[in-house]
Amino acid sequence: EVQLVESGGGLVQPDRSLRLSCAASGFTFDDYAMHWVRQAPGKGLEWVSSISWNSGSIGYADSVKGRFTISRDNAKNSLYLQMNSLRAEDTALYYCAKDIAAGTFYYMDVWGKGTTVTVSS
Amino acid sequence: QSVLTQPPSVSGAPGQRVTISCTGSSSNIGAGYDVHWYQQLPGTAPKLLIYGNSNRPSGVPDRFSGSKSGTSASLAISGLQAEDETDYYCQSYDSSLSVPYVFGTGTKVTVL
Repeated sequence: EVQLVESGGGLVQPDRSLRLSCAASGFTFDDYAMHWVRQAPGKGLEWVSSISWNSGSIGYADSVKGRFTISRDNAKNSLYLQMNSLRAEDTALYYCAKDIAAGTFYYMDVWGKGTTVTVSS
Repeated sequence: QSVLTQPPSVSGAPGQRVTISCTGSSSNIGAGYDVHWYQQLPGTAPKLLIYGNSNRPSGVPDRFSGSKSGTSASLAISGLQAEDETDYYCQSYDSSLSVPYVFGTGTKVTVL
């Protein structure tokens, strides 16, 4: 069964850091690009960041550029999101999602259940 | 602020047909980029519903159909059922932005 399981969320103070992880199983992880998408409480979906199969192509939403870093470890079938200088507006449910393509970004065919990040003092 | 605009809500009686629009511009849908649709049931992760404008993944009922024309795309639900009452999002690419993904504003479908 194809599965994505996020972890690492929690309550964090503003300006602090948090690292999210996504464990993939049931498919050949290094054959696909991967993404982080977030959803603030009661709001719509917001694309956060994407990484190609070999980490050669990476993209960030303007709202997180310079603060968040996406990475992957294909040997561990894992995706990561290092979040620094967190702000209240980063409070959201963070989803890990798999693309159907490897080197380019097209659409997301598998999603995890998400991990909640709350930024508050 | 999304560049893909959807109506906040649409509604219909059971058995009826409803459509959800996704309006973009010449830098996204109008530029020929494909549109994809996701369904998000309450308290769950989004699920791919339509890809490549009009294709259904395995397991998605044929009551759901997608189309694209000009700078807009549409998701149609025919034979509306109570279980279809949830949120729907379109997604595409925008060449004017420095990001590969843009999601629509989202539409809540209500079954009357």
